[in-house]
Amino acid sequence: DIVMTQSPDSLAVSLGERATINCRASQSILYSSNNKNYLAWYQQKPGQPPKLLIYWASIRESGVPDRFSGSGSGTDFTLTISSLQAEDVAVYYCQQYYGSQFTFGPGTRVDLK
Amino acid sequence: EVQLVESGGGLVKPGGSLRLSCVASGFTFSSHSMHWVRQAPGKGLVWVSRITNDGSETTYADSVQGRFTISRDNAKNTVFLQMNSLRTEDTAVYYCARSSGGYFDLWGQGILVTVSS
Repeated sequence: DIVMTQSPDSLAVSLGERATINCRASQSILYSSNNKNYLAWYQQKPGQPPKLLIYWASIRESGVPDRFSGSGSGTDFTLTISSLQAEDVAVYYCQQYYGSQFTFGPGTRVDLK
Repeated sequence: EVQLVESGGGLVKPGGSLRLSCVASGFTFSSHSMHWVRQAPGKGLVWVSRITNDGSETTYADSVQGRFTISRDNAKNTVFLQMNSLRTEDTAVYYCARSSGGYFDLWGQGILVTVSS
């Protein structure tokens, strides 16, 4: 099974500053036949279900603010919040959908400094 | 309105059974694979099971293989999770989620399952 790891476990960022979250897969999740990375990012706020932010590693879901961006390929990926807003305080999860088991990373908590 | 609504959760004793349901509305249910994902209190997301759009294929996490069964009724826009031989470590909020190309673009609000004596 593909194991997903995230770093850091948590981070505190000032309003308007950049937040960067890293995600690593235990094996490549780039499918060579279509050149797509099978990776998604989700945001979860307390008491709410997760919300899809990014899919195919870099495609922003409709309605997601453009301060959220995803990058990376193969095994290493990054979610960047370019200018943190108060409403972005949440836990962020990466997830791979390459294998037959759809594993999530352990999550990164983002707070305001 | 496009939504997923789970039901069937509650308190059950270890070794017991429970059947979760998730009713979909507002979209063509039969075009999508469906998943169950769970989240233990204060913990992260854990994928549980998947069923393809026509119900022909199912997949399970190792932790529930042989105890849980996913199924669907496309005529009723409903996906089910039959949970048998429940353990205390199965205590979690269970979410159903719609898959589009593999990623989960629609989630239910979740339903709590508590396994305790």
